[in-house]
Amino acid sequence: DTGVSQDPRHKITKRGQNVTFRCDPISEHNRLYWYRQTLGQGPEFLTYFQNEAQLEKSRLLSDRFSAERPKGSFSTLEIQRTEQGDSAMYLCASSSSGNRYEQYFGPGTRLTVT
Amino acid sequence: KNQVEQSPQSLIILEGKNCTLQCNYTVSPFSNLRWYKQDTGRGPVSLTIMTFSENTKSNGRYTATLDADTKQSSLHITASQLSDSASYICVVSVHAGGTSYGKLTFGQGTILTVHP
Repeated sequence: DTGVSQDPRHKITKRGQNVTFRCDPISEHNRLYWYRQTLGQGPEFLTYFQNEAQLEKSRLLSDRFSAERPKGSFSTLEIQRTEQGDSAMYLCASSSSGNRYEQYFGPGTRLTVT
Repeated sequence: KNQVEQSPQSLIILEGKNCTLQCNYTVSPFSNLRWYKQDTGRGPVSLTIMTFSENTKSNGRYTATLDADTKQSSLHITASQLSDSASYICVVSVHAGGTSYGKLTFGQGTILTVHP
């Protein structure tokens, strides 16, 4: 399967714990995006990478959130000191700069903070 | 504020029937409009993408229309199937140059349920 993959698919954690999610984009895509989606809502933009450079961050991305894409391939999203309000689906998408219109989404990581 | 509003919020139809979903947007400057299908617990999958110069685009039983003057779009589903049950999300992208991220503004989706 050459689509966008995310790991884990589900994560249950206790409030205050740190969690890290991984996204593997489509191999030839140099752009990678993170979104957050809460129940009944559309996804909201969190951050965007072109290769290894993090070019934009949403104001939704508080100091507890950090994203990296160290070698311009896979990316990680870490949430420190999780809060119940962090419970959501975290979606990753990728695109090529040659076709900036089309973003391909991964299956998402469902985070539940208890 | 850039917004995308969809209607109805939810829709129930019988298998084989047609339906039309609506999307109104205030996003500016407009670059393109997309319709995504999202199955429960999965990531969105693109159905159509239209720039301001395109009025209609089809993908199998899905046909999207765009009126850039009135800032409205619709997604028409023909001969619905049980597998069409999903959330349909309208997404509008702002125009961006260079390496800027063409920010996507998502609607909250229309939940379609197709009954046998």
